Amino acid sequence: DVLMTQTPVSLPVSLGGQVSISCRSSQSLVHSDGNTYLHWYLQKPGQSPQLFIYRVSNRFSGVPDRFSGSGSGTDFTLKISRVEPEDLGVYYCLQSTHFPRTFGGGTKLELK
Amino acid sequence: EVKLEESGGGLVQPGMSVKLSCATSGFTFSDYWMDWVRQAPGKGLEWVAEIRNKLNNYATYYGKSVKGRFTISRDDSKSIVYLQVNSMRSEDTGIYYCTTGYYFDYWGQGVMVTVSS
Repeated sequence: DVLMTQTPVSLPVSLGGQVSISCRSSQSLVHSDGNTYLHWYLQKPGQSPQLFIYRVSNRFSGVPDRFSGSGSGTDFTLKISRVEPEDLGVYYCLQSTHFPRTFGGGTKLELK
Repeated sequence: EVKLEESGGGLVQPGMSVKLSCATSGFTFSDYWMDWVRQAPGKGLEWVAEIRNKLNNYATYYGKSVKGRFTISRDDSKSIVYLQVNSMRSEDTGIYYCTTGYYFDYWGQGVMVTVSS
């Protein structure tokens, strides 16, 4: 199975600040079709996960440009600038290149 | 508006079975792959199963911890995806979400399943 390692586990932030979350995979996420199926989700307390970034760097509908994704191969990053209260929660990365699909362990973004 | 609504959860005794349903609307269900993801209390997300569309011969895939006990199926005429869960164990306790496959872009609100005697 592809192991997805997210760091840090907890990420204290001040409102208006900038943060980065890392997601590393145990093997390349480049699919045979040439695409890289690495996605980012935010889960707020008591809610379902919501897609923020798909295929490494594409913002989902309605996601502000304060969010950006980057990376390639096995090393990926989610950056959030000018953090707002609605950005708080647990972020997960997911790889859907390989079976079984695997999620990272999560990064909790919380106020300092 | 895309909607996914899970149902069928509740308290289940160990060894028993349950069938979860996910009713959908607002998109062309038959075109989409569909997945189930679960979350144990206080834990992270775990992918459970995927079913592809007719174009992909309704192929199914499962996580290792559920293979042989869980069965994913779909009814394109009703826009519903199902998850049959057999031989339930305490570690199957959690919230079960259905989600549109490929990018897991839309999710239901989840249904709680508790396995306990």
